[in-house]
Amino acid sequence: AQSVTQLGSHVSVSEGALVLLRCNYSSSVPPYLFWYVQYPNQGLQLLLKYTTGATLVKGINGFEAEFKKSETSFHLTKPSAHMSDAAEYFCAVTRGAAGNKLTFGGGTRVLVKP
Amino acid sequence: NAGVTQTPKFRVLKTGQSMTLLCAQDMNHEYMYWYRQDPGMGLRLIHYSVGEGTTAKGEVPDGYNVSRLKKQNFLLGLESAAPSQTSVYFCASTIGPGRFSNTGELFFGEGSRLTVL
Repeated sequence: AQSVTQLGSHVSVSEGALVLLRCNYSSSVPPYLFWYVQYPNQGLQLLLKYTTGATLVKGINGFEAEFKKSETSFHLTKPSAHMSDAAEYFCAVTRGAAGNKLTFGGGTRVLVKP
Repeated sequence: NAGVTQTPKFRVLKTGQSMTLLCAQDMNHEYMYWYRQDPGMGLRLIHYSVGEGTTAKGEVPDGYNVSRLKKQNFLLGLESAAPSQTSVYFCASTIGPGRFSNTGELFFGEGSRLTVL
């Protein structure tokens, strides 16, 4: 079985400040990990993904995430928040290449203050 | 390309009524999914399909039925709607394992907001 825990259902950051969203997972096999973003009244869009290889992955809109196997974590960061980053962010895991289902965390809503 | 299209986008039902949500994808994906999204609970998998003619239960299947008669379509049915089924429903699809380009990435529709009174 696999599961995902996102610490903090709401995060408030000032424009220009660091964005840090935490994600921890559990998986019995090497996982594939994803971050998705959901803007208001829209579906989910892929931000970035880790499958194999380099553990620091870069995504769209200046976001990046680092896979740390020893900590079972996949935290999402952005050095400088922009007003357009206000959205809900979801971490997700699947069982590597053999997986056929994504398991999502509960989501973290990001508010960006001017 | 349209990607993943869901219809209808909004619906209000009375308790006990039935309805069907339609999901259509034009990417020739093997795998299709129905999720529901509720505040603070993320997305929870209702049912999924790994190919035409196949379906399987997800995390929260009770009260829902699905069918995948054509590869491009995945239908979600509510036979007797209950207020607990008030939610936003998302359909998603992915290529499927064993394909060179598969990385498990899901492609989502824009959602169907269902209210059961």
